[in-house]
Amino acid sequence: QKEVEQNSGPLSVPEGAIASLNCTYSDRGSQSFFWYRQYSGKSPELIMFIYSNGDKEDGRFTAQLNKASQYVSLLIRDSQPSDSATYLCAVKHAGGTSYGKLTFGQGTILTVHP
Amino acid sequence: DTGVSQNPRHKITKRGQNVTFRCDPISEHNRLYWYRQTLGQGPEFLTYFQNEAQLEKSRLLSDRFSAERPKGSFSTLEIQRTEQGDSAMYLCASSAIPRGTGELFFGEGSRLTVL
Repeated sequence: QKEVEQNSGPLSVPEGAIASLNCTYSDRGSQSFFWYRQYSGKSPELIMFIYSNGDKEDGRFTAQLNKASQYVSLLIRDSQPSDSATYLCAVKHAGGTSYGKLTFGQGTILTVHP
Repeated sequence: DTGVSQNPRHKITKRGQNVTFRCDPISEHNRLYWYRQTLGQGPEFLTYFQNEAQLEKSRLLSDRFSAERPKGSFSTLEIQRTEQGDSAMYLCASSAIPRGTGELFFGEGSRLTVL
């Protein structure tokens, strides 16, 4: 089992729709979770992080965390063509020499079509 | 600009040659990470430093790879006797631990092509 797994893509949604991106992780001790966006040929940039169960909203983005189910998701409301990118889920290690290290999922490619 | 800086941005080399990449992190960040990313995959952890100490190295990392951060500032990643399978984007990131959220700030990457 991979440490961090994301739903297989690519995901295609029409402009204005809600895009839903999912991620599961294997380490129950993980405490913080990050969503990065990566445009083609560019480096990842942070969208949001979450560490408490429940929802966290920031503009059109909502991150959801369920530690019991080891599941984290990202919702993008009113999707725009400029949201077309690869979305990376990352999990922060909580202890030992790996403390602070982020492990990334394989990414989900999102395409928003006009 | 006080972001993470990497160079060279692109490197084309022949199989068997050695290459070195440099990373300058955000100045107040004590953590520096190296990741490798191939097409269609997420960044794969290689190694990281806290100040000048190398605290973890991926078990998947060949002994042809070595990294240093001699004064706790910039870091270099050297690949000896390159192979075609080393072709990838090499990403450097920095963070401030334990201060901050643990967010990694990435550089623009160094793309390696091994012919």
